[in-house]
Parts: sequence; structure tokens; C-alpha cells
Amino acid sequence: SQTIHQWPATLVQPVGSPLSLECTVEGTSNPNLYWYRQAAGRGLQLLFYSVGIGQISSEVPQNLSASRPQDRQFILSSKKLLLSDSGFYLCAWSVSVYYGYTFGSGTRLTVV
Amino acid sequence: KQEVTQIPAALSVPEGENLVLNCSFTDSAIYNLQWFRQDPGKGLTSLLLIQSSQREQTSGRLNASLDKSSGRSTLYIAASQPGDSATYLCAVRRDYGQNFVFGPGTRLSVLP
Repeated sequence: SQTIHQWPATLVQPVGSPLSLECTVEGTSNPNLYWYRQAAGRGLQLLFYSVGIGQISSEVPQNLSASRPQDRQFILSSKKLLLSDSGFYLCAWSVSVYYGYTFGSGTRLTVV
Repeated sequence: KQEVTQIPAALSVPEGENLVLNCSFTDSAIYNLQWFRQDPGKGLTSLLLIQSSQREQTSGRLNASLDKSSGRSTLYIAASQPGDSATYLCAVRRDYGQNFVFGPGTRLSVLP
């Protein structure tokens, strides 16, 4: 069966520090991968999506970047965190557009 | 641009009641629609996925309907239980290959 792993679960980072969040999917090949952010009191915001290795689409220009070094690995990064980067980050995958999303358990990021 | 709204924003009901959560979308040319549940501090759990050719989907006490022409979907929860307390989100995929657009969610509290 397919599973999605996301880590860490919680992260507290100082302003200006780097960030690396990792998401991996097991049990499927060539998934579509997504990074979402959910800020307090706000809805889900699509940050990046990828349809294949090295193929990244950015939905919102900001302080973050994403990479897909392997088929089932999706990484969210920042060189210098801002206070406004705080939020709940969720990774999701989908095998094709006919199917829905499956989400990871999320990472709570607090920038202090 | 597809916009998704959910009414009400919050709902509190006594245990055992049947209830309906609403989801509206502005562009009726959708590919599929997915309902999720989110517990506090957790990721999203998929509940039901409805393809554009379907009118409804059922899973246990949950029934989701879709009316594309009116731009609406409803999630019916039968015999509500305190364990149903969570935020419920709907998401709409507009066209083939497009990403899901999420509604803001309805926060449900089922009182014992």
C-alpha cells in the first residue's frame, strides 16, 4: 500500500536560519507531489507542485523553494527564514488527476 | 479563477443529529471534488472523492453529493458522534491536470 512520510513533525527555527522539510512517498511510482501551507486562520495555500524528477512549478513567489531529487522525494527549503514563514506545512501526493490527494501528517514550523 | 466557499464556517450540534455541510464553487466545469477531514494539528484525511460524472458517493455514515450545474456539493453526516468533531474541507479540481482548490473549511463540534 502507498504511504507518505513527512518530517519533522515540529520545528522551531530562528529568523534568518535555513530550512529543509522532507517528504517521501512509498508504494507508487511517478506520483504528482505537492507542498501546501496552512497559516493560522487561513486556508490551504499551494506552494509548489511537481509532476516528475526535477520538474517544479511554483504557485506563489516567496522565500521558499522546492526540489525533487528522486522520484518519490520532495523537499521544501529556504535559505533564510522570515517570521511570516511560520505555519503548518503539508505534503501531498496524487497518482493521477483522476484520483484525489493523500496528505502527510504535516510539519508545524514556528519562526522566532 | 475557481473559488470555493463553505458554509457555515462553524457548526455545533448535539450527538445523534444528522447534519449537512455545504461547499460551493464558482466554475461548474470541474473534473472531480474531494472532501477531507482535519483534526487539530493534524494532516488532512480523505473522506470521499466524487468524479464529475457521479452524483454521489457514500462511505459508512457519510454521503457526499455533487450538483455541477448549481456549483454545489453537500456532505451529509448521519447520526453524528463526538468523534466526528473536526474541520471538514472540500476541494475542487477544475480541469484535467489542474490542481485542487480548497475551501476554507467548516469546523464541526458534536457535543456529547
